[in-house]
Amino acid sequence: SQWGEENLQALSIQEGEDVTMNCSYKTYTTVVQWYRQKSGKGPALIILIRSNEREKRSGRLRATLDTSSQSSSLSITGTLATDTAVYFCATEWPNYNVLYFGSGTKLTVEP
Amino acid sequence: DAGVTQTPRHEVAEKGQTIILKCEPVSGHNDLFWYRQTKIQGLELLSYFRSKSLMEDGGAFKDRFKAEMLNSSFSTLKIQPTEPKDSAVYLCASSFMDTNERLFFGHGTKLSVL
Repeated sequence: SQWGEENLQALSIQEGEDVTMNCSYKTYTTVVQWYRQKSGKGPALIILIRSNEREKRSGRLRATLDTSSQSSSLSITGTLATDTAVYFCATEWPNYNVLYFGSGTKLTVEP
Repeated sequence: DAGVTQTPRHEVAEKGQTIILKCEPVSGHNDLFWYRQTKIQGLELLSYFRSKSLMEDGGAFKDRFKAEMLNSSFSTLKIQPTEPKDSAVYLCASSFMDTNERLFFGHGTKLSVL
């Protein structure tokens, strides 16, 4: 598997709190993508971070990438109930145009 | 909405039946992917097409799963015969060649096999 041994994780927090989700990968990659999947919908890209970037921000989202430890994190500040979703990290094997997804983190934000 | 369209949204099948799921990618996208999503296994790749050519057939899913892309704007996934363990959400995604950094997914087809 491209990813480490992970099971679907579940987090439940209150609106307004900050949250950080982590994932790790086994092989070299140049890009880590984070997708969000809301109930009944397909995953949608929310942020992408490249290997030459240690940090990337987009609104309330912040992604980090540590190529030495082959890990990435996604932080959401000031969460809203609408952030409730499953969050996946994904990476592409070099020279192979397929994205492989981690098992995801199910985030529930209580209003 | 010019996104990825999947039909049907829900499918119920009896064990042993043949079912066909359909997908229309985003217009102009060259790459098309089929994934299966379950709570235990997460998102698993079933098939990958580039410009209608099958590039990856998902190994373990060869036996009863067959994806086809007869033209650049339509793909099908056939499961024959279905088994209860095939119950899952089947997702289709597309992207523009060489920019696979962003996949556009459909809403998925939820398959229940009784």
